[in-house]
Amino acid sequence: KQEVTQIPAALSVPEGENLVLNCSFTDSAIYNLQWFRQDPGKGLTSLLLIQSSQREQTSGRLNASLDKSSGRSTLYIAASQPGDSATYLCAVRRGYSGGGADGLTFGKGTHLIIQP
Amino acid sequence: EPEVTQTPSHQVTQMGQEVILRCVPISNHLYFYWYRQILGQKVEFLVSFYNNEISEKSEIFDDQFSVERPDGSNFTLKIRSTKLEDSAMYFCASRGDRVNEKLFFGSGTQLSVL
Repeated sequence: KQEVTQIPAALSVPEGENLVLNCSFTDSAIYNLQWFRQDPGKGLTSLLLIQSSQREQTSGRLNASLDKSSGRSTLYIAASQPGDSATYLCAVRRGYSGGGADGLTFGKGTHLIIQP
Repeated sequence: EPEVTQTPSHQVTQMGQEVILRCVPISNHLYFYWYRQILGQKVEFLVSFYNNEISEKSEIFDDQFSVERPDGSNFTLKIRSTKLEDSAMYFCASRGDRVNEKLFFGSGTQLSVL
């Protein structure tokens, strides 16, 4: 059974710093991996999606990497801002021959606070 | 930007009662999902729905749960006889097609079973 772990559980850094969030998964047979942002009282917002054949994806100040063989992904946030404060979730989609299963397996998230 | 809409935002019910949670996915999307998040826990997959039938479901989605797309716009989750442990935030999500896999989530319905 796939297990997704995110470290650290919480992180507080001053504004302007670059930071890295970590995600690990136990079963490397994944179809893709997504990073989401969750704000209090709101739904999840997809930030980046990496296909199993890709090594990284970038969107603005965000860069996500994937090392499928070692079961790891990182989310790099450059020049952090107070508006980046949120919980960041990593989720994997199981793969099988011919495609991917529908359901995502989520980590518990990293609660990020950017201090002004 | 198009969004997934969920109603109600909060639902309080008595144990043993039936509840229906409602969702309006993004209009041209084809794949629909329900997830839930118990307070302090991970987001958990419940069920996926495509082409008017369930395509995958988790162990959580037992006979007490059902989903329906009664018309061209709504997608509902029914819990027949609620239990205390059903208390959670329930999220609806949708996505376009096999090529576009980005998942769009609604803001959730907070279900409290008393």
